[in-house]
Amino acid sequence: GDSVTQMEGPVTLSEEAFLTINCTYTATGYPSLFWYVQYPGEGLQLLLKATKADDKGSNKGFEATYRKETTSFHLEKGSVQVSDSAVYFCVHGSSNTGKLIFGQGTTLQVKP
Amino acid sequence: EADIYQTPRYLVIGTGKKITLECSQTMGHDKMYWYQQDPGMELHLIHYSYGVNSTEKGDLSSESTVSRIRTEHFPLTLESARPSHTSQYLCASSEYPGGLGVEEQFFGPGTRLTVL
Repeated sequence: GDSVTQMEGPVTLSEEAFLTINCTYTATGYPSLFWYVQYPGEGLQLLLKATKADDKGSNKGFEATYRKETTSFHLEKGSVQVSDSAVYFCVHGSSNTGKLIFGQGTTLQVKP
Repeated sequence: EADIYQTPRYLVIGTGKKITLECSQTMGHDKMYWYQQDPGMELHLIHYSYGVNSTEKGDLSSESTVSRIRTEHFPLTLESARPSHTSQYLCASSEYPGGLGVEEQFFGPGTRLTVL
């Protein structure tokens, strides 16, 4: 069945470091892919999305490219800030069911 | 401002109590969802609705029930709470996509339930 696997955390970085959080998926059909972020004490927010192969989603300095050939959607940011500390979820939107399938989440902690 | 609301944010109750978790959205979305999330874990879909009078069970079995009498309101009820129900419950909504792809979901802040 459809699934999402993302890099285990926690990830601890110093401010201004480069961030990569790996995400791979298995899917039938043509899924949409999302990254959601959950800040402490808040609900999930959409960070970025891509709806077809080779699309690049970007927001707040974060980027992810939908790679069909490697079934990946890795999240990157060139220079993280303390305010980026949160839990990041890679999410697959099944084109068959319309449902979202969540990865297990990766906790990012950025230290000043 | 269009938004999605959940109450209460935190609830601590004793075993055997009946509880209702409230969820309301002001975006006019037809589709609504309930997810269960244990600390540090992924979200699991427990209920969803395509519109008024439509309710479906999700991928994770749950003893809770839901109703959808109004478009904006999607409450979740536990008839007799148990410690195994301790978790965070997240409500979400979405609209039907206009083109290709799966639509994004908008999430409420969640209710953290503790059953003693």
